[in-house]
Amino acid sequence: KQEVTQIPAALSVPEGENLVLNCSFTDSAIYNLQWFRQDPGKGLTSLLLIQSSQREQTSGRLNASLDKSSGRSTLYIAASQPGDSATYLCAVSSVDSNYQLIWGAGTKLIIKP
Amino acid sequence: EAQVTQNPRYLITVTGKKLTVTCSQNMNHEYMSWYRQDPGLGLRQIYYSMNVEVTDKGDVPEGYKVSRKEKRNFPLILESPSPNQTSLYFCASSLGANTEAFFGQGTRLTVV
Repeated sequence: KQEVTQIPAALSVPEGENLVLNCSFTDSAIYNLQWFRQDPGKGLTSLLLIQSSQREQTSGRLNASLDKSSGRSTLYIAASQPGDSATYLCAVSSVDSNYQLIWGAGTKLIIKP
Repeated sequence: EAQVTQNPRYLITVTGKKLTVTCSQNMNHEYMSWYRQDPGLGLRQIYYSMNVEVTDKGDVPEGYKVSRKEKRNFPLILESPSPNQTSLYFCASSLGANTEAFFGQGTRLTVV
């Protein structure tokens, strides 16, 4: 059964730094991987979706990569800002999961001014 | 504006009192689903629907019902809520099962 892991659970960095969040999954038979952002008391915002045939996706200061064979994805945030502070979640849609998203536990990111 | 709308945002109720959390999307999406989010357990799927009148169980369906009579609406029904259903609930929709998912703002439910 697909399992998704995110490390670290929490990360605190000074403003302006580039940073990388990690997501790993156990079964490489996936349809896609999505990165989401969750702010306290608010919903989930989709950041990037990478199809299984793609290697990376970019949106503004965000870049997500996918290495399906090794079961890993990274979310790169350039020039971090205090407004980037949130919990970042990755979710996988895999062949054996009956179309449901399998979620990691998230990385809580704090950007210090 | 394309969006998924859940109501209510916050709800406190008593054990056994039936309640419905509504979910509506305006993107003509076929696929809709409900998740609950609990500390330490992450997000888990309750039910999903591939299209009108087509629904199926997710990982944690016990104690919940859903219906999909119209494409845009996918209400979550708790016939007899219990305290272990206290959680943060999210509704999501997508064009297909494996396309980008859009989420509602969440419903924080407390059952006392």
